[in-house]
Parts: sequence; structure tokens; C-alpha cells
Amino acid sequence: EDKVVQSPLSLVVHEGDTVTLNCSYEVTNFRSLLWYKQEKKAPTFLFMLTSSGIEKKSGRLSSILDKKELFSILNITATQTGDSAVYLCADGGSNYKLTFGKGTLLTVNP
Amino acid sequence: DVKVTQSSRYLVKRTGEKVFLECVQDMDHENMFWYRQDPGLGLRLIYFSYDVKMKEKGDIPEGYSVSREKKERFSLILESASTNQTSMYLCASSFFDRSGEQYFGPGTRLTVT
Repeated sequence: EDKVVQSPLSLVVHEGDTVTLNCSYEVTNFRSLLWYKQEKKAPTFLFMLTSSGIEKKSGRLSSILDKKELFSILNITATQTGDSAVYLCADGGSNYKLTFGKGTLLTVNP
Repeated sequence: DVKVTQSSRYLVKRTGEKVFLECVQDMDHENMFWYRQDPGLGLRLIYFSYDVKMKEKGDIPEGYSVSREKKERFSLILESASTNQTSMYLCASSFFDRSGEQYFGPGTRLTVT
């Protein structure tokens, strides 16, 4: 069975810290790995990764995929309180179906 | 701006009632999805649809059915609601060839008593 595992489950940091969130996957027929941010309500799309070693970047957020070791990381630099959210990783498998990990709850304190 | 709307934010129903949750998207997306989200279990796919009148089962379809009569609208139906269907229900949509980039609605918190 395909599996997506995120770590840590929760993390508390201070504003200005840099954080790294981890996602490992065990899937057949890998196509893509995705990151989403979920604040109080709906998840919002952050990144889709398909190739190893190519960093995707958006402002203070960046992500990279290692297809050999089957993991991805999401980095957030100079964290702000608005970064507080649950970060979800998902395997973008075949037939349109996403398999989500359980998420990492990030709390950024002022 | 991309928009996915869901018919209700909060819903309370009794055991055995038939429940309809509606989702509408305005992006002309081919794909639409229904998830439920529960603490400790994460987001799980119930059903999805890649075209009008087409549907595919997700990971947990039991106790649910769906309907897609128009491209922009995807309905989730609980034929006979049970207490274990109390959950947050999220609808999402995407383009056919970018199924990983999904846009989510605000969710419906359903309580079945």
C-alpha cells in the first residue's frame, strides 16, 4: 500500500527561525510529490515536484525532491506568525488520486 | 481568481437522514474531488470525477455516492447518515492534466447526531 509519512508531527518555533519539514514516501508508479498549506480551512497548493534535485521556490518557501532516497523537504526561512499552519505532503499518484500524509503542525510564536 | 464553493459551512443532521453536499467551481476544471478530513487520519479521498457523469471510487467510498450532471457541480450524497460520518468534508477541483494542483473549497463541517 502506498504511504506518505511526514515528520515532525508538530513543531513550535520563534519568528525568524528557519524550519525544515520532512516527507517520505513509498509509492509505486511515482509521478509527483505535492506540498499544501492548510490554515483554518481549505488547503492551498504550494509546490509540485517531479524531478530530483530541482528546487522549487516561492518567496521564503522552498522545496526539493530526492527520488533516490524517496523524500522531500519543505524549507521556510525567516518564519513569520502567518506561516503557522498545517503543512501537508501528498503523493500525486496515478488516476488523479492524491494520497496525503497526516501533516506537520507548525506554530510560529512572536 | 480561482473559486470553489460549498453549499454549507456547518450542517447538523440526524442518523438515517439523506444528506446532500454540493460543490461548485468556476474554473472550468475537468476534475473534481470529495475528501473527508478527520483528526489523526488526515485527508482521505472519497470519490472523484474526471468528466461529467464519470466517477471513480477513492479510498473510502462506502456509505457515499456522488453525482456530476454538470461540469461545474459535484455533489456528495450520504444515503443514510451515520454518526461515523461526522467529519469535515472538502471539495476540490483541478485541470485534467494537472491533477496534483487542486483547489479546495472552504469545507463543510457535518455533524450527525
